[in-house]
Amino acid sequence: QTVVTQEPSFSVSPGGTVTLTCGLSSGSVSTSYYPSWYQQTPGQAPRTLIYSTNTRSSGVPDRFSGSILGNKAALTITGAQADDESDYYCVLYMGSGIRHWVFGGGTKLTVL
Amino acid sequence: EVQLVESGGGLVQPGGSLRLSCAASGFTFSSYWMHWVRQAPGKGLVWVSGINSDGSRTTYADSVKGRFTISRDNAKNTLYLQMNSLRAEDTAVYYCARGDGYSYVNWGQGTLVTVSS
Repeated sequence: QTVVTQEPSFSVSPGGTVTLTCGLSSGSVSTSYYPSWYQQTPGQAPRTLIYSTNTRSSGVPDRFSGSILGNKAALTITGAQADDESDYYCVLYMGSGIRHWVFGGGTKLTVL
Repeated sequence: EVQLVESGGGLVQPGGSLRLSCAASGFTFSSYWMHWVRQAPGKGLVWVSGINSDGSRTTYADSVKGRFTISRDNAKNTLYLQMNSLRAEDTAVYYCARGDGYSYVNWGQGTLVTVSS
């Protein structure tokens, strides 16, 4: 069974830059997995940040960016702000045959 | 403005059934894939099921296949999730989400399903 991996937690200083990653238990993440990223604060619905690897969703500030770094998808936050403290989830699309999506376990980002 | 409003959650006994609804507005509902995603208390997001724009193609996570059925009524701009043979591990907030390409673009606020005796 495919497992999508994310760092369980990360911390960043206000104004700093952090890169969260999204990998596979077996194999490499490529653009063919159409990685997307979602932000969620406790008690709230998720918010779409990035789709199709590096396209920002409407209204998302440009300090959020997506990419492929090595064999993983990556979400980079530049100039972190206090309200970026959230859980971040990636999702990978698992192919045209079965048309499944698999979420990573999420990364809890602390800004301090 | 895109709005997705889930309803139908509640307390149900193990082995019971429940039907969730998601009322959509602010976009051409019949043009998009729609999905259900759930989140157990204190846990992460899990994709549950998806349906294509005209309802002719459905797909399910292995954990719910054979027990859950996704459907849609494009005339009513409404997405459904029929959940049968419910288990304690199905306890979660269920979100509906509008798909666009291979990702989710908009989310509802969720409805809580609790499976307990």
